[in-house]
Amino acid sequence: QQPVQSPQAVILREGEDAVINCSSSKALYSVHWYRQKHGEAPVFLMILLKGGEQKGHEKISASFNEKKQQSSLYLTASQLSYSGTYFCGTEGSGGSNYKLTFGKGTLLTVNP
Amino acid sequence: NAGVTQTPKFRVLKTGQSMTLLCAQDMNHEYMYWYRQDPGMGLRLIHYSVGEGTTAKGEVPDGYNVSRLKKQNFLLGLESAAPSQTSVYFCASSYERLYEQYFGPGTRLTVT
Repeated sequence: QQPVQSPQAVILREGEDAVINCSSSKALYSVHWYRQKHGEAPVFLMILLKGGEQKGHEKISASFNEKKQQSSLYLTASQLSYSGTYFCGTEGSGGSNYKLTFGKGTLLTVNP
Repeated sequence: NAGVTQTPKFRVLKTGQSMTLLCAQDMNHEYMYWYRQDPGMGLRLIHYSVGEGTTAKGEVPDGYNVSRLKKQNFLLGLESAAPSQTSVYFCASSYERLYEQYFGPGTRLTVT
């Protein structure tokens, strides 16, 4: 089942902060975050694993609440280059799924 | 080091025609994936492979077949194209399950 992302869209001015949320109805093993600019391929940002391990981007932070099956991506002091659509991908618990289910995306626009 | 490449970049098919999309990666990755992306729907997994000679179904496999005869290549076939298969198709690969996925540039397919 597709995770639910919120908000669907957000507009910021350069330097402002944003939080993008990802929520699942099933238990999760990992959450992955990607950013896609218009007309381009998605690019990896971060992986958060059950148990607290994180791998990814140094300038972007995220959290993973295993009990609530939720993850949040924190974008601080936003830059113009942060504009794009952000997708979370979730992997169900059980350890043998090998595949991600992506949300519908959050469109982030950063204006000067 | 080209990363992940996809052939062709664009294609227009008539209903009922068949075609094969080719994905190639030069990173020696075990895992490969085929996604389709439709407006407002995010990325949906069609099929995936966890190693040479293996394939498995994703969320939306109907109407597609895949093969992974060589580790570096993952082929996606449409036997009888339908207008509902009009989409942008992305291939991705990853070293292992909990590593970042590298995406190809995409193939824009239109079925009339």
